[in-house]
Formats: sequence, C-alpha cells, structure tokens
Amino acid sequence: GENVEQHPSTLSVQEGDSAVIKCTYSDSASNYFPWYKQELGKRPQLIIDIRSNVGEKKDQRIAVTLNKTAKHFSLHITETQPEDSAVYFCAALDFGNEKLTFGTGTRLTIIP
Amino acid sequence: GAGVSQSPRYKVAKRGQDVALRCDPISGHVSLFWYQQALGQGPEFLTYFQNEAQLDKSGLPSDRFFAERPEGSVSTLKIQRTQQEDSAVYLCASSPLAGVETQYFGPGTRLLVL
Repeated sequence: GENVEQHPSTLSVQEGDSAVIKCTYSDSASNYFPWYKQELGKRPQLIIDIRSNVGEKKDQRIAVTLNKTAKHFSLHITETQPEDSAVYFCAALDFGNEKLTFGTGTRLTIIP
Repeated sequence: GAGVSQSPRYKVAKRGQDVALRCDPISGHVSLFWYQQALGQGPEFLTYFQNEAQLDKSGLPSDRFFAERPEGSVSTLKIQRTQQEDSAVYLCASSPLAGVETQYFGPGTRLLVL
C-alpha cells in the first residue's frame, strides 16, 4: 500500500518569512495530492491540492509543487501570518483505492 | 450549505462498552469515508462507502469495528467491547461523486475509553 512521509514534524518561522513542508510517497499510481490544515480540536480543512498531470499550483500565498519522477511534493507558504499556525497534513490518493493516505503532520508555529 | 456533521462530539466509554458514532455527510454526496486519528498523528483510513455499498473496509482494525450506511446518506460507525487503544478522534469525510477526490471532513468524534 501507499506510504507517505512528511518532514519536518515541527517548524517555527518568523512572521513574514516563508515556510516549506515536504512529503514523499511510495506508490507511483497515486495521482492526487491534497494538503489539509488542522487547528487544535478542529476538522482538517483542505487548503490546496494538485493532480499528477500538473507540476505546480498556486493560490495566493500558498503553492504546491509536485515531482512525479522523484515521488515528492511540497507545500510553500509565503509571507506567513500568525493565523497560519496549525498542523499541516499532506496526503496521497490512488483513484483505484479511493482512500487518502496521510503524512504524520507538521506543526507550524509563526513567531510574531 | 451545511458541511459534514458528526455526533456525538465527545464520548467517554468504559472499557467493554459498545459505542455508536454518527456521520451526516453533505447532502447528495455519494462517497463517505471514516478515518481514525490518534493523538499527534495523521488520520488513518478505516472504511469507504459509495452510496450504501461498503466498497473497502480494509482499514478496520478488528471485527469489533462495524460501519453501515443503509440508505446511502447517514452512516454509523459502531465499536463493540471498546478497548483503551480505541481512544482516538473518529473523522468522517464525504465526497460529491465516486472518483472525485476532494474529501470534506466533519469535526470528528473524540472517543475516550477508560
């Protein structure tokens, strides 16, 4: 089955700086890669996603890049703000299985 | 419109007790998923429904776990003879169509087994 690894597990960034979170996956059949933000005690919320026929996608301060050959994808947050503090999860989905496999999460702290 | 809802939000059970967790997906969503999230971990897949059909239950940890979605909308996850290791947040997610990948999550039910 699919295995997703996520790094780093914790990340502290000065407000206004950029944050980068990296994930690798094992199953080359995976073709959809969402990123979820989860605040303490809240539901995971989709913030951006990318399909395997696209190399990069951007939405305002958030971008995701995908390298299918190397089987890794990354989340980039620019101009970080205190409200970006949360746990971020990457995930991979194989349409054949319909289920998401999640990484172990990155706790991002924005230092004012 | 309303998002995915789950009830109860919190459940404390004595070891050995049976519990039932409810998920109300977004109206009209075909696919429904259950995930288990242990403290400090990412969600882990339990089971998946397409309408009323349970197409994948490979993630259910034991035969004490049972899920159903009899009319293709509301789903119930039942855990029999709860054990302490069952303590976790149980998340439900729904998706508009089969094969459409965006999954929308509910707030979860936090289960504590004493």
